Amino acid sequence: QQQVKQSPQSLIVQKGGISIINCAYENTAFDYFPWYQQFPGKGPALLIAIRPDVSEKKEGRFTISFNKSAKQFSLHIMDSQPGDSATYFCAASRATGNQFYFGTGTSLTVIP
Amino acid sequence: DVKVTQSSRYLVKRTGEKVFLECVQDMDHENMFWYRQDPGLGLRLIYFSYDVKMKEKGDIPEGYSVSREKKERFSLILESASTNQTSMYLCASSPQQVPGGQFFGPGTRLTVL
Repeated sequence: QQQVKQSPQSLIVQKGGISIINCAYENTAFDYFPWYQQFPGKGPALLIAIRPDVSEKKEGRFTISFNKSAKQFSLHIMDSQPGDSATYFCAASRATGNQFYFGTGTSLTVIP
Repeated sequence: DVKVTQSSRYLVKRTGEKVFLECVQDMDHENMFWYRQDPGLGLRLIYFSYDVKMKEKGDIPEGYSVSREKKERFSLILESASTNQTSMYLCASSPQQVPGGQFFGPGTRLTVL
């Protein structure tokens, strides 16, 4: 079964708006939650990641919000730009293991 | 600049052919992974390796095998390619001790006719 559930499947946002992508997980042993950005024809690239000891992490226009009790985490892209148009994947892993579990991806389109 | 490279960007093979996909990383990472990416299904793990000559099955190993003879190289083998193995194949590597995320190669788009 899908270890990490991601929504929405696709998202269209106006330039300057906020893009929000949500993920949920079941396994409480997960303790590392990265987000990846993938442009067409390229492999995914690590964008930002969070550990469960903090509730929020911000890097530039990208913020991860983490809710440990709800087992949910989300990516917020502030002031979204057309160059942010890409597919975004959330993932989860355990520190004791080497496996990463990925969401099914969100295709983001930012329209000018 | 750290890198994961894959031997081919595009590959077209016939049903029943044996297919080799090669991946090389220059970061001295212990872990290496093979995924396939299909629309709506995200990234699904085929095999991973945490050391030379070691391998572990992922979620969808059927029809695939792997080889890791050197630390920097991880090969994916399709013993007898089938049309349902048409997909994007992604290789990734990560360090052993700290979960610092995975580094992905550019992918190989495999078409099996």
